[in-house]
Amino acid sequence: GEDVEQSLFLSVREGDSSVINCTYTDSSSTYLYWYKQEPGAGLQLLTYIFSNMDMKQDQRLTVLLNKKDKHLSLRIADTQTGDSAIYFCAARNQGGKLIFGQGTELSVKP
Amino acid sequence: EAEVAQSPRYKITEKSQAVAFWCDPISGHATLYWYRQILGQGPELLVQFQDESVVDDSQLPKDRFSAERLKGVDSTLKIQPAELGDSAMYLCASSPQDRDYEQYFGPGTRLTVT
Repeated sequence: GEDVEQSLFLSVREGDSSVINCTYTDSSSTYLYWYKQEPGAGLQLLTYIFSNMDMKQDQRLTVLLNKKDKHLSLRIADTQTGDSAIYFCAARNQGGKLIFGQGTELSVKP
Repeated sequence: EAEVAQSPRYKITEKSQAVAFWCDPISGHATLYWYRQILGQGPELLVQFQDESVVDDSQLPKDRFSAERLKGVDSTLKIQPAELGDSAMYLCASSPQDRDYEQYFGPGTRLTVT
């Protein structure tokens, strides 16, 4: 079936780069997404990449997609304490449905 | 900046009671989604509307959950009767017609069933 997997926790120091990884099983996924969720809040769309691209950069965010290995990563440069949150990876299937991972909790220490 | 609106933000109800959640999508967004997010997990789609029509409700527990979007704008999700296992965050999202691959989420309704 369709599945998206992420590691549960990541801890970094302020100013360092963070890399959050995700794997997915559906090779026909059309779009891959990164969402951010702060405590008690909804999901904020950070960025997304179309499946025929291998990289997308948006200010401090870099998304890398390895379609062969079905691996997606999100790099946050110069990580700040305000980046502390849960980050969700999602894959859009051919039917348009988003399949979410369980989320990676990013903790940024000053 | 336009946002998806949801109310209430928090709801506490006793099991076997009825509960309803409301969502107003971003103006002009034709597609509306309801998701359930259990603590510690990612959101799971319950129902998807295109205008006033249901596109996908395969994961909606229809014995107790219902959803409607009568005029193709705002939507209501109802649970009757609520069960302890329904405690979760209920999220609404919407997509624009010309970029239906983008989904924008509201702040959610946190439901606690006691």
